[in-house]
Amino acid sequence: DIQMTQSPSTLSASVGDRVTLTCRASQTVSKWLAWYQQKPGKAPQLLIFKASTLQKGVPSRFSGSGSGTEFTLTIASLQPDDVAIYYCQEYSTYSGTFGQGTKVEIK
Amino acid sequence: EVQLVESGGGLVKPGGSLRLSCVASGFAFRSFGMNWVRQAPGGGLEWVASINDNGGSIYYADSVKGRFTISRDDAENSLFLQMHSLRAEDTALYYCAREEGSANPFDYWGQGTLVTVSS
Repeated sequence: DIQMTQSPSTLSASVGDRVTLTCRASQTVSKWLAWYQQKPGKAPQLLIFKASTLQKGVPSRFSGSGSGTEFTLTIASLQPDDVAIYYCQEYSTYSGTFGQGTKVEIK
Repeated sequence: EVQLVESGGGLVKPGGSLRLSCVASGFAFRSFGMNWVRQAPGGGLEWVASINDNGGSIYYADSVKGRFTISRDDAENSLFLQMHSLRAEDTALYYCAREEGSANPFDYWGQGTLVTVSS
């Protein structure tokens, strides 16, 4: 099974900062990588798919990059509304394994 | 508007059974694959099971294989998860999630139904 590892576990930054989250796969997943945002008490929401394609309605300050085994999610200018846990998910296999999540906080 | 509404959660003793339902609206249910994903209290997301649009391809996480059964009723726009031999570690919020085709990300999620396994 593919393992997905996210870093850091927690990220604290100031409003307006550029922040980068990392997701690593234990074997190549090509470009089949998605990012989700989960706000407290809410269901996850799809942000990015195919590593870098923004889901409709997602603010343009979010971007994704990478392929193979290493991927990043970047928030260009952190906003208070971005406080959430971010999960990556590989969907190259039927199981759709998730990473353990990165919690983003405002400093 | 796409909506997914789960129900059927509750408190059950270890070894017991429970059947979860997810009713879909706002889209052509029969044209989409569907999934169950769970989240233990304070934990991360764990994919549980998937069923493709025609019900011909079904997959399970190793942690639930042989105990859980996913199914769908396209006439009722409904997804189900039959759970047997429940364990304490199955305690979680169970989400249903839509998937376009197969081996795709989950573009819509319900709000979840809570399953608690405890004596």
